Amino acid sequence: DVKVTQSSRYLVKRTGEKVFLECVQDMDHENMFWYRQDPGLGLRLIYFSYDVKMKEKGDIPEGYSVSREKKERFSLILESASTNQTSMYLCASSLARATSGNTIYFGEGSWLTVV
Amino acid sequence: QKEVEQDPGPLSVPEGAIVSLNCTYSNSAFQYFMWYRQYSRKGPELLMYTYSSGNKEDGRFTAQVDKSSKYISLFIRDSQPSDSATYLCAMSKGAQKLVFGQGTRLTINP
Repeated sequence: DVKVTQSSRYLVKRTGEKVFLECVQDMDHENMFWYRQDPGLGLRLIYFSYDVKMKEKGDIPEGYSVSREKKERFSLILESASTNQTSMYLCASSLARATSGNTIYFGEGSWLTVV
Repeated sequence: QKEVEQDPGPLSVPEGAIVSLNCTYSNSAFQYFMWYRQYSRKGPELLMYTYSSGNKEDGRFTAQVDKSSKYISLFIRDSQPSDSATYLCAMSKGAQKLVFGQGTRLTINP
């Protein structure tokens, strides 16, 4: 089974703090993603990565950065947390090539509250 | 206009009913179509995956894709209380970026 692990399930941080959300996958997937999920807005892509040390902006990258130093690990960084970043954050991974049967697998989610 | 439209519900049906969930989309380049199920405070899990047009059946679940109408459906037969969850449609041109619907919250009443 594909395993995408988000180390922190529930976090409470103060406004202005630097926040790290860590994600590890064990299936040697090339692609990794960070989404946020908000009621009424669905899943929105923040950043994604096709390879080590490579990143591309998604639909809502403002206020976030990412790091991918190893293939299995993809970190989301909130440089200075704000209350409007209170949300559920989902990490995901997939194979690089689209082949029949492969798709994106998600972690359990990290619930972040910024106070 | 959103690329993928999905009625957020909520949808409430009695146990044993047939459930129909739907999404429409505007991008004719989409080739891969997925349905995810998400329980409360959990990550989405892949339920059904379809490439291009046609039907796919897996137990009580059937996924249909009609590319000519840009319309996809998920049918749940003999619905159970354990099927209560949010169902998200998703689609893509490749294995990279998925575009998600808003999700439909479904409740099956015993």
